[in-house]
Amino acid sequence: GAVVSQHPSWVICKSGTSVKIECRSLDFQATTMFWYRQFPKQSLMLMATSNEGSKATYEQGVEKDKFLINHASLTLSTLTVTSAHPEDSSFYICSARGPPGIYNEQFFGPGTRLTVL
Amino acid sequence: AQTVTQSQPEMSVQEAETVTLSCTYDTSESDYYLFWYKQPPSRQMILVIRQEAYKQQNATENRFSVNFQKAAKSFSLKISDSQLGDAAMYFCAYSGNTDKLIFGTGTRLQVFP
Repeated sequence: GAVVSQHPSWVICKSGTSVKIECRSLDFQATTMFWYRQFPKQSLMLMATSNEGSKATYEQGVEKDKFLINHASLTLSTLTVTSAHPEDSSFYICSARGPPGIYNEQFFGPGTRLTVL
Repeated sequence: AQTVTQSQPEMSVQEAETVTLSCTYDTSESDYYLFWYKQPPSRQMILVIRQEAYKQQNATENRFSVNFQKAAKSFSLKISDSQLGDAAMYFCAYSGNTDKLIFGTGTRLQVFP
């Protein structure tokens, strides 16, 4: 149980285009999802917290107009990188807060590698 | 603000031996959770072990155990009988009132046959 998927697993796009990454909780409802960014050989950096039916809360320094987050249902959150540039190339990971009984545990998706040319 | 510090960028251990990864944290909260996550080359984050701060007993999961020293704000991970499959990045993480996970910088563990 508690499986989180991400799609796509990798994407290559041209500079200036937008890319959408999906995060799904497959076997549980997730009222809260989190989006992280990880550069090579570095730790995970929280970008934003996504709550179903409300606006995402962004961490300091993260451009909300650049990284659009939508959490329209209890099983799906999306991250859209708008007008992507090479510096946006990174590994993006989502996680979903576990169901009741697994308090404060986050279940992670397998990540999406974004390369902007 | 809460912080998590992992002072060992890299560690190595021989197969079947025991290794301990260090983690310290800073917080003013009294109720929180601590985690160790493993990130193998596939980059999938895998929960290794979790510890509730209100529990004095150290958590154990098979070959993995922690030494939780609340007063010292220390949370080390001991891996016994190390296996080649244990080779990975290990991240210590803190979660408190905000539900956010705050990660340390990670420790790369190498396991030699």
